[in-house]
Amino acid sequence: SSELTQDPAVSVALGQTVRITCQGDSLRSYYASWYQQKPGQAPVLVIYGKNNRPSGIPDRFSGSSSGNTASLTITGAQAEDEADYYCNSRDSSGNHLLYVFGTGTKVTVL
Amino acid sequence: QVQLQESGPGLVKPSGTLSLTCAVSGGSISSSNWWSWIRQPPGKGLEWIGEIYHSGSTNYNPSLKSRVTISVDKSKNQFSLKLSSVTAADTAVYYCARSEATHDAFDIWGQGTMVTVSS
Repeated sequence: SSELTQDPAVSVALGQTVRITCQGDSLRSYYASWYQQKPGQAPVLVIYGKNNRPSGIPDRFSGSSSGNTASLTITGAQAEDEADYYCNSRDSSGNHLLYVFGTGTKVTVL
Repeated sequence: QVQLQESGPGLVKPSGTLSLTCAVSGGSISSSNWWSWIRQPPGKGLEWIGEIYHSGSTNYNPSLKSRVTISVDKSKNQFSLKLSSVTAADTAVYYCARSEATHDAFDIWGQGTMVTVSS
């Protein structure tokens, strides 16, 4: 089955920009979605589709994609952005659809 | 506003069957959405288990397919997960989630329920 690979951890200074990447073959065919998860909480969708934010998600979050790599960018990181971030996408196995999640990236805001 | 709430036993014996239900409120399970189960072992990442449409169509994670059954009860506006032959490796927080057919992203999640497999 397909896998989505993310860097385990990144750090960013308060107010600076950080990019989180997600690599996998499924991203050549399907858009990535991105989720923020804080300790003890359910994940929250922050980016989906080409570059769409659900209602209530700050515009400092943006997404992009090229080839087999999707990226989540936080422009002007805030203390409350410190969290784990997961990508995910659809994939296909034979004639069956499925989902795959990335390995996750822990973002630390310094 | 649609909300999801998981329920079920927090402790399951090894080799037994894990059974969870996700109640959908604030909307209909018969809307144009897929309904998924996702789990997260302690300290680890997210793993998609499978999904169901209100018609009863299902898709499962190939790695779990032989042990998983997801069903829907439209009269109760809920869907359920059964995972058989559980081991300690199935210990996790189990989430139910909704994905819209138009964008394939999980836009609504339940709060999650911890299930421990232990004798």
